[in-house]
Amino acid sequence: GAVVSQHPSRVICKSGTSVKIECRSLDFQATTMFWYRQFPKKSLMLMATSNEGSKATYEQGVEKDKFLINHASLTLSTLTVTSAHPEDSSFYICSASTGLAGGKYFGPGTRLLVL
Amino acid sequence: AQKVTQAQTEISVVEKEDVTLDCVYETRDTTYYLFWYKQPPSGELVFLIRRNSFDEQNEISGRYSWNFQKSTSSFNFTITASQVVDSAVYFCALSDNTDKLIFGTGTRLQVFP
Repeated sequence: GAVVSQHPSRVICKSGTSVKIECRSLDFQATTMFWYRQFPKKSLMLMATSNEGSKATYEQGVEKDKFLINHASLTLSTLTVTSAHPEDSSFYICSASTGLAGGKYFGPGTRLLVL
Repeated sequence: AQKVTQAQTEISVVEKEDVTLDCVYETRDTTYYLFWYKQPPSGELVFLIRRNSFDEQNEISGRYSWNFQKSTSSFNFTITASQVVDSAVYFCALSDNTDKLIFGTGTRLQVFP
């Protein structure tokens, strides 16, 4: 089956630092990748949609300068949380899609803790 | 705009009971896809089912079954003879012509021995 990996799985950083999270589709090419954020006991909130080679589309209320997304290839998307603050602590999950009628495959998630 | 509503925040049952998780959706598109995912404490989402808007046949997979009713915009999920391992948060989600997957708020299911 289609596999999506995320790295790192957990990260603890100091306030003010930047953190990069990688999302890779291991055995397929994704037309689109999505980034979600999940607070404890809450639902997954879509942050942005990214397509290879083009700028990401951010959902309303998501700061694009805060959450930088780079989609370098059909198998790799990165999310960089810049100048992280404690309120950015969350569970970040990426998803790779093979199209409207295709599958939606999720990575295992990255737990970010900002001290 | 698309929206998914899971009115049940938490459900507790005793093992072997049947339990139904409700999902109601809203979309203006005629072509869309509905999903159910399970999220155990580890956090990783486990795909359960995908159903397109043109296929209203109910589906059964082992102890799991799904009832899709376009007339009421519902896509309910039933677990028969629940087990402790079924304890998790279950999300219903909708994808329309934007390819975005929008999640409901989730239902936390606790199955007690």
